[in-house]
Amino acid sequence: GAGVSQTPSNKVTEKGKYVELRCDPISGHTALYWYRQSLGQGPEFLIYFQGTGAADDSGLPNDRFFAVRPEGSVSTLKIQRTERGDSAVYLCASSLAGPNEQFFGPGTRLTVL
Amino acid sequence: RKEVEQDPGPFNVPEGATVAFNCTYSNSASQSFFWYRQDCRKEPKLLMSVYSSGNEDGRFTAQLNRASQYISLLIRDSKLSDSATYLCVVKLNYGGSQGNLIFGKGTKLSVKP
Repeated sequence: GAGVSQTPSNKVTEKGKYVELRCDPISGHTALYWYRQSLGQGPEFLIYFQGTGAADDSGLPNDRFFAVRPEGSVSTLKIQRTERGDSAVYLCASSLAGPNEQFFGPGTRLTVL
Repeated sequence: RKEVEQDPGPFNVPEGATVAFNCTYSNSASQSFFWYRQDCRKEPKLLMSVYSSGNEDGRFTAQLNRASQYISLLIRDSKLSDSATYLCVVKLNYGGSQGNLIFGKGTKLSVKP
């Protein structure tokens, strides 16, 4: 079956611009996570949705970062006034409710020039 | 101190070698433990969960020592295809509900012919 998909696969933008990254979870998965992975590091947690609501947004680095999941399926991560330090691979994962395996998407590689 | 710390690597080993990775975690409330594998420029994928009694999956053996807050992964008879980065991962479970994954930086393994 279809796995987690993310678009775009690559995004190059200029400092100060606004970007949106999209995640399509596996059908039926109610839990959705966003992580960020910088070069040479493991993924770092950003935000977790259970259904439509953000159950934990403690990993968002500052108020330039925001994420939504209005219908409990697709999620969009939004970054305002991008900075060079935002350059990373943004990974999305989804899982069934409960303590189940998280399946990761291929990620969006964001480069801020 | 990082929440999850791993041997930095890289580990360069010949085919057929046995290699061991170690990991320590700082939060004693950690409840679930995993090893993930990540190939170059790909998403992380679950290799195996780690249980208190220790568990084996083919050539892979994982062990957990809760008292020492230490996790290990042993790979026997290593193959060229085992070359990847191995990520040590813990999860804090809140009342049985889902929680985000906390990743180590990863240890890079390169198996040579």
